[in-house]
Amino acid sequence: KAGVTQTPRYLIKTRGQQVTLSCSPISGHRSVSWYQQTPGQGLQFLFEYFSETQRNKGNFPGRFSGRQFSNSRSEMNVSTLELGDSALYLCASSLALAGGVTYNEQFFGPGTRLTVL
Amino acid sequence: GQQVMQIPQYQHVQEGEDFTTYCNSSTTLSNIQWYKQRPGGHPVFLIQLVKSGEVKKQKRLTFQFGEAKKNSSLHITATQTTDVGTYFCAGPRSNDYKLSFGAGTTVTVRA
Repeated sequence: KAGVTQTPRYLIKTRGQQVTLSCSPISGHRSVSWYQQTPGQGLQFLFEYFSETQRNKGNFPGRFSGRQFSNSRSEMNVSTLELGDSALYLCASSLALAGGVTYNEQFFGPGTRLTVL
Repeated sequence: GQQVMQIPQYQHVQEGEDFTTYCNSSTTLSNIQWYKQRPGGHPVFLIQLVKSGEVKKQKRLTFQFGEAKKNSSLHITATQTTDVGTYFCAGPRSNDYKLSFGAGTTVTVRA
């Protein structure tokens, strides 16, 4: 089975721009979660999508949004970029149950390294 | 809100020695997961513990889930250079299942 793929791997943007990151989960996985990783803050949960619906959301401003398509692929969008948005954005897929009863193991992609200048 | 705390943040270990990293939550966790991230890589799932007091072993790694399901530990014996990396614990809250990661313990090994 192919692993989780993320595109692009590297991105350089300037303040005020917007960016869209893409994630393709492992085949059969319906849950996709997004995380922001920075040296100072560690792994911060952004949101989780299951069957095209946002099921959970972390404590990030509304500039961060996402969506999931019927094939479980997911995109994350950040509008009006700020310098502090520079980070590694990780996507993870899992075989989460429909009822959200439990989180199964997360399979992470290689991440998108976003640099905001 | 829930916070998952990990200590220590850094662990410098002599090759061959043992060490333990600890994970504590302010709320009860339905399960606890451990991940390892090698330098330059992405987190990779190691194990999941579900039952109160559960202990699981993977070769030189021993994982434990506390009786109250609020804390967990990872003990590594006879540390090797392949153990270098950052170890994260993660737990979903019992009320809304948001997954919270600890800040991680970054392990370096002296040969």
